[in-house]
Amino acid sequence: NAGVMQNPRHLVRRRGQEARLRCSPMKGHSHVYWYRQLPEEGLKFMVYLQKENIIDESGMPKERFSAEFPKEGPSILRIQQVVRGDSAAYFCASSPGDSIAKNIQYFGAGTRLSVL
Amino acid sequence: QKEVEQDPGPLSVPEGAIVSLNCTYSNSAFQYFMWYRQYSRKGPELLMYTYSSGNKEDGRFTAQVDKSSKYISLFIRDSQPSDSATYLCAMSVGNNNDMRFGAGTRLTVKP
Repeated sequence: NAGVMQNPRHLVRRRGQEARLRCSPMKGHSHVYWYRQLPEEGLKFMVYLQKENIIDESGMPKERFSAEFPKEGPSILRIQQVVRGDSAAYFCASSPGDSIAKNIQYFGAGTRLSVL
Repeated sequence: QKEVEQDPGPLSVPEGAIVSLNCTYSNSAFQYFMWYRQYSRKGPELLMYTYSSGNKEDGRFTAQVDKSSKYISLFIRDSQPSDSATYLCAMSVGNNNDMRFGAGTRLTVKP
C-alpha cells in the first residue's frame, strides 16, 4: 500500500473545528474510495470518486461531510464542525478502474483523527 | 444479518501452526473475493485476490472460495510471529462501489 499517500497521519481537532484529510492515489489510478474504521470494527464505505465526479456517496453522513477529487491534486475528505464521534481512522483506497483489475483496491496508511 | 460475517477472534496460535480464517456472506452475486492483512495502526494490505470459486495459493497462503456455501477461507501454513495482524475479508459483485468488508479477525502467532 506504499503507493497510496495519505496525510496527515494524525490529526487532532477540537470540537467545532474543520478537518481536512488528503489522499493521493497510486500512479495510474483514477478511482478513489474513502472508508472509516472504528476500533474493533470493520471498514465502512463512505464515498467513491473519480476525477471531478462523485460516483457514490451513500455511505457518507448527509451533514458536515464532503469529498472531492479535483482534476489536479489529491482527493480531499472534509469534515466540518467535528464532534467527538468523528474520532476514527479514515482510510483512502484507489483502484485502476479498468476491467477485472478495477476491483482491486489498494489502501493508504490512513489518517487518525482525534477530536478533543 | 450482515452481508459479510467474520469472527473477530482473537485467535492465538503457536508458531508453526496452520491457521484457518473464514468468512460467510449472504449476497450470492459476489464474485470477487479478497483478503487483506492489517498491522496495528497501518492500512490494509492486499494479500490474496480470487475471482469466483476455487483455490489460489501464494507461498504460505491459500485462499479458498466455496460459492455454493457462501463461504471463503484463508489458510496460513507454518505461521510466523510476523503474521500477527488483523485479517479482513472483502468481496464485491464487480462494481467499484460495492466492496464489503468483514469486521476482521485478530491473529496472534506466539513464538
